[in-house]
Amino acid sequence: EAGVAQSPRYKIIEKRQSVAFWCNPISGHATLYWYQQILGQGPKLLIQFQNNGVVDDSQLPKDRFSAERLKGVDSTLKIQPAKLEDSAVYLCASSLAEIVRVGAGPWRLDGYTFGSGTRLTVV
Amino acid sequence: AQSVTQLDSHVSVSEGTPVLLRCNYSSSYSPSLFWYVQHPNKGLQLLLKYTSAATLVKGINGFEAEFKKSETSFHLTKTSAHMSDAAEYFCVVTPNAGGTSYGKLTFGQGTILTVHP
Repeated sequence: EAGVAQSPRYKIIEKRQSVAFWCNPISGHATLYWYQQILGQGPKLLIQFQNNGVVDDSQLPKDRFSAERLKGVDSTLKIQPAKLEDSAVYLCASSLAEIVRVGAGPWRLDGYTFGSGTRLTVV
Repeated sequence: AQSVTQLDSHVSVSEGTPVLLRCNYSSSYSPSLFWYVQHPNKGLQLLLKYTSAATLVKGINGFEAEFKKSETSFHLTKTSAHMSDAAEYFCVVTPNAGGTSYGKLTFGQGTILTVHP
């Protein structure tokens, strides 16, 4: 099974420039997530899509960050303009959309898979 | 609301000795808990997960973790460390219930494991 694909792997830009990252989730995974991992910290969720709709973007800095998933498959994350503090690894993840319940038991997050990430350096 | 506290930012062990990485969590809902490993310049890899079945969970590479609800803990252990275990480890929580938090993983700050020969 192919994994979550991300590109580019690395990007160096000057502050105030724009940058875009691309993610192709696992085939059949309707839910897609973008995380930001600053050096020395755990990843933090930026935005969550279900198909082409936004489920949660409460931690996305909307004045400079935007994301879209127009056809419910690939997604792009954009930063415009970039700041020095945006230097981080941007991780994309995907999971199955269906909430699988076992009797009255718990919800399951089947197939939650991360890509290798894009390392952004803003200078 | 949910949060994770990894009690040690760095753990150093000798090869062949036991490993203990500590994690405490807080969650408004019954949680699912995970441990992920991240090797330098590599992606996040799932080690193991707890989703309210057996409280002792076995994962890959000889790791296991025990869910203790009374202590709100989910510590990661291994009986004998290997050099290849050197990496950063993240404890992660997500709620089992539905709602807008579903699918949102909350990561701890990470614990860097160093293994000495």
